Amino acid sequence: ELKVEQNPLFLSMQEGKNYTIYCNYSTTSDRLYWYRQDPGKSLESLFVLLSNGAVKQEGRLMASLDTKARLSTLHITAAVHDLSATYFCAVGGAGGTSYGKLTFGQGTILTVHP
Amino acid sequence: DGGITQSPKYLFRKEGQNVTLSCEQNLNHDAMYWYRQDPGQGLRLIYYSQIVNDFQKGDIAEGYSVSREKKESFPLTVTSAQKNPTAFYLCASSMPGQGPYGYTFGSGTRLTVV
Repeated sequence: ELKVEQNPLFLSMQEGKNYTIYCNYSTTSDRLYWYRQDPGKSLESLFVLLSNGAVKQEGRLMASLDTKARLSTLHITAAVHDLSATYFCAVGGAGGTSYGKLTFGQGTILTVHP
Repeated sequence: DGGITQSPKYLFRKEGQNVTLSCEQNLNHDAMYWYRQDPGQGLRLIYYSQIVNDFQKGDIAEGYSVSREKKESFPLTVTSAQKNPTAFYLCASSMPGQGPYGYTFGSGTRLTVV
């Protein structure tokens, strides 16, 4: 059974600081997603990582994937208040496509303070 | 524009009542999914369907039922057997061969027991 664990579950940051969210998963997968969720809203896709060593960056967020360690990280650089949200990682099945169910981590609630 | 439409946005259920959540997509996706989200938790898979007239149980199917009579539609019924149905429900769809960016979520239905 695939298990996905995120840490930390709660993250309180000051504006301008850097931090990393970790996502560990238990079985082989070649498809890892990062999503953002604002309160009461649906999921917004941030990144899709498909191969070992993959790194993607968008603004102040950078995601990486180490398939050998079964670990993905979401790094936040110089946090701003607008990044306050809940962040989820999700792991999918094989084939590198969008097909198939996803298993989600518990989510990391990020709050950025002035 | 193509997408997934969930309705209603908010739904209230009385004890012992069955309610149906609607999910319609015009993306021509083969696969559709229902996820449940409880406060402070990640998404958990209820049911999924990879083709019309076929569906499989996910991790938490007890107390729920689905149908897939049309490719575009995947309604979820929350039955009276579901003892704790208050949650946020998200529908998603995907298509093999479209690549990982083809996984799409609806805007969600918030169900409350009154």
